[in-house]
Amino acid sequence: ILNVEQSPQSLHVQEGDSTNFTCSFPSSNFYALHWYRWETAKSPEALFVMTLNGDEKKKGRISATLNTKEGYSYLYIKGSQPEDSATYLCAFISAGGTSYGKLTFGQGTILTVHP
Amino acid sequence: DGGITQSPKYLFRKEGQNVTLSCEQNLNHDAMYWYRQDPGQGLRLIYYSQIVNDFQKGDIAEGYSVSREKKESFPLTVTSAQKNPTAFYLCASSKGQGAGANVLTFGAGSRLTVL
Repeated sequence: ILNVEQSPQSLHVQEGDSTNFTCSFPSSNFYALHWYRWETAKSPEALFVMTLNGDEKKKGRISATLNTKEGYSYLYIKGSQPEDSATYLCAFISAGGTSYGKLTFGQGTILTVHP
Repeated sequence: DGGITQSPKYLFRKEGQNVTLSCEQNLNHDAMYWYRQDPGQGLRLIYYSQIVNDFQKGDIAEGYSVSREKKESFPLTVTSAQKNPTAFYLCASSKGQGAGANVLTFGAGSRLTVL
């Protein structure tokens, strides 16, 4: 079983704060990394697909970076809003072996933005 | 609208009973997946199928069975052999292989409680 770790496990911020959290994954056999947002009572939705070392993706106030050599990705939220409150999941996809094509998820970071 | 339909949303089961969770998609996706979520843990892969009439065990397949007789359908049976079946179950699908094609679309989930 591949080891994908997210930190912190939970985070409380005030509206307007900027925040970031981390996804760590194996630095070998990298194929892709996904970020998903899971709001309460909804289905998880894809935010970003990251495939190349040095990738930076942006969607509105949310952005992500990728370092495949050291095995981590950061997700940044600028000027957090209450509607950003959700669980943020990263998922690692390995390039080879029996894990090819399978997504292995981290345990998630629960973000709560207080008005 | 295309999407994934899971049913039932809530299910109660007595110990020793098998139950089947339904998952149907109309996205014309080739691959389908079943994940389990427990409090404080990430999504763990139970089974996945990349094509009709073929499926592979995920990381926690013991006590579960699946079938993939149609492209649209990937039902999950939780058998009496599953020692701790109370959990939230998510079905997902993706177009297939390739980093972008692996992006998952999720259903709304089924919560199973064993009494």
